Amino acid sequence: KAGVTQTPRYLIKTRGQQVTLSCSPISGHRSVSWYQQTPGQGLQFLFEYFSETQRNKGNFPGRFSGRQFSNSRSEMNVSTLELGDSALYLCASTDSDTDTQYFGPGTRLTVL
Amino acid sequence: AQSVSQHNHHVILSEAASLELGCNYSYGGTVNLFWYVQYPGQHLQLLLKYFSGDPLVKGIKGFEAEFIKSKFSFNLRKPSVQWSDTAEYFCAVIFDNYGQNFVFGPGTRLSVLP
Repeated sequence: KAGVTQTPRYLIKTRGQQVTLSCSPISGHRSVSWYQQTPGQGLQFLFEYFSETQRNKGNFPGRFSGRQFSNSRSEMNVSTLELGDSALYLCASTDSDTDTQYFGPGTRLTVL
Repeated sequence: AQSVSQHNHHVILSEAASLELGCNYSYGGTVNLFWYVQYPGQHLQLLLKYFSGDPLVKGIKGFEAEFIKSKFSFNLRKPSVQWSDTAEYFCAVIFDNYGQNFVFGPGTRLSVLP
């Protein structure tokens, strides 16, 4: 099976702009989670989608939102970008039979 | 709130040295435990996991971990490290009352000197 794919891999935006990141999970996986990874804060959970519904949400402001489509692909949107949003955004899909998450390579977002 | 801690921020070893990385969590209920590794420039990969049964679990690349429930710990070990083990190691926990989402530790950077 193909792994988790994320697009784009790199993105440069300026403050105030918005951005949309995409994630395609492993075939058959219905749960997709998003994480933010920064040197200072480490890996922090953003939200999880399962069957097109947000099932859990981390402690991030409302500027961070997401959605999941019927084919389990997920998008994450960040509006009104701030410098502190610069990070590696990771997507993971979960094998529900084994409770194991498989991570994508991430999207490196730089906000100037 | 549940949390995961890792004892060391940065560990430096010579090749063939033994490795033990600490991981502790704060929660008395049921947990699922994982160790992930992130090699330089690569994405997170699963090393091993523990759900139940034998508390000593073996993973890929010669790694193993021991779950000690009384100590809320899940330490990662390898008898003899190689230069190629240089990476960042993350302990992660699913807490039974927090859906299917991981709480990650801050990570331990391992540098193995040739």
